[in-house]
Amino acid sequence: DAMVIQNPRYQVTQFGKPVTLSCSQTLNHNVMYWYQQKSSQAPKLLFHYYDKDFNNEADTPDNFQSRRPNTSFCFLDIRSPGLGDAAMYLCATSRDRGGRLGGYTFGSGTRLTVV
Amino acid sequence: KNEVEQSPQNLTAQEGEFITINCSYSVGISALHWLQQHPGGGIVSLFMLSSGKKKHGRLIATINIQEKHSSLHITASHPRDSAVYICAASGGGGSNYKLTFGKGTLLTVNP
Repeated sequence: DAMVIQNPRYQVTQFGKPVTLSCSQTLNHNVMYWYQQKSSQAPKLLFHYYDKDFNNEADTPDNFQSRRPNTSFCFLDIRSPGLGDAAMYLCATSRDRGGRLGGYTFGSGTRLTVV
Repeated sequence: KNEVEQSPQNLTAQEGEFITINCSYSVGISALHWLQQHPGGGIVSLFMLSSGKKKHGRLIATINIQEKHSSLHITASHPRDSAVYICAASGGGGSNYKLTFGKGTLLTVNP
């Protein structure tokens, strides 16, 4: 089945130790998004790629970076995780910006714990 | 004030009951999305609506563009329907790629 897959499902990292979260998709969607969701809060958009075009949200900390080496894969790099970065990280895709063509497809998320 | 408001915030029902969750939005949108999230889990997209009504199994979603209001209905509710249901709007304001999320409705269906 076509889908959005996030790895790993759970990630524990040490304070200050770089960590990379992975997202892959078999939908051939142009747009890939990374959201951060803290407990009991709505997801917050960190950035998105339209094809190779990277779009950072104004309030996304510099500590968060992203790479999209090809259509299928997108990575979220946290350079120096702090305790406040513990959250669920959600990857989503859509065919177009705004999801007008078929909506959005979300991955199952990666729950990041910082110790 | 959040641009997307949901009610109720919490809803408890007995198995078999008909459930309605409401969503109102204050911005112009291109589409309204209903999403489901189980505790500690990822998000599943249930519906995307720009007009009218959609049905999938026991789930029905409606939207009234003039009134800027949408509802999600669950018929014959089951304990496995217990989850957070999130209404989100896309295409609003100056950031037409963004989803604006409601705060979610926590639904608990008791056997």
